[in-house]
Amino acid sequence: DTGVSQDPRHKITKRGQNVTFRCDPISEHNRLYWYRQTLGQGPEFLTYFQNEAQLEKSRLLSDRFSAERPKGSFSTLEIQRTEQGDSAMYLCASSLGTVTEAFFGQGTRLTVV
Amino acid sequence: AQTVTQSQPEMSVQEAETVTLSCTYDTSENNYYLFWYKQPPSRQMILVIRQEAYKQQNATENRFSVNFQKAAKSFSLKISDSQLGDTAMYFCAFMKPDYGQNFVFGPGTRLSVLP
Repeated sequence: DTGVSQDPRHKITKRGQNVTFRCDPISEHNRLYWYRQTLGQGPEFLTYFQNEAQLEKSRLLSDRFSAERPKGSFSTLEIQRTEQGDSAMYLCASSLGTVTEAFFGQGTRLTVV
Repeated sequence: AQTVTQSQPEMSVQEAETVTLSCTYDTSENNYYLFWYKQPPSRQMILVIRQEAYKQQNATENRFSVNFQKAAKSFSLKISDSQLGDTAMYFCAFMKPDYGQNFVFGPGTRLSVLP
């Protein structure tokens, strides 16, 4: 396993379109996180899964944002009716155990035009 | 809510010199973890060092060490013998077990190592 992978790396979409991003965590990791990072800022927590259960989603930015992890492996983050303010880097991370470091993917850069 | 502050938006250091990056945080918790992450240009974030709040001994990892002052809620990162490959954004992060297991990040410090 080479680490957390995210697909696509870059996405350009028109305002109002829906987009979906995929994250494949490190295989044995049971925790998966989604973050958003805007230019020059630190990552901002969005949501978190333990196995297939979404344990925290109150930080999702609006009801246009949703995430799934149907079989406790890969996860998807969907943004409906995209807005220009959604343009950012979307980072996925995974970890194992109660308290361990998070391993990050390279992110998906979204540009809404 | 926990917050993390990094007061130095940008710093530079000469190759082979030592640099210290500052981080302060605000929490009422007693049990938590602190991390420094490095994000090189156009590359993914990687862990530099971590510190458990219940440990008094400062963590070290090769050229990287921290000065953890729990009472002052301060967690600085010292990079010794700076190398060109250390050029990156550095993020300080706080994590409390059972707090949604999420990491709260500071705004970052952009470090440039000059030849």
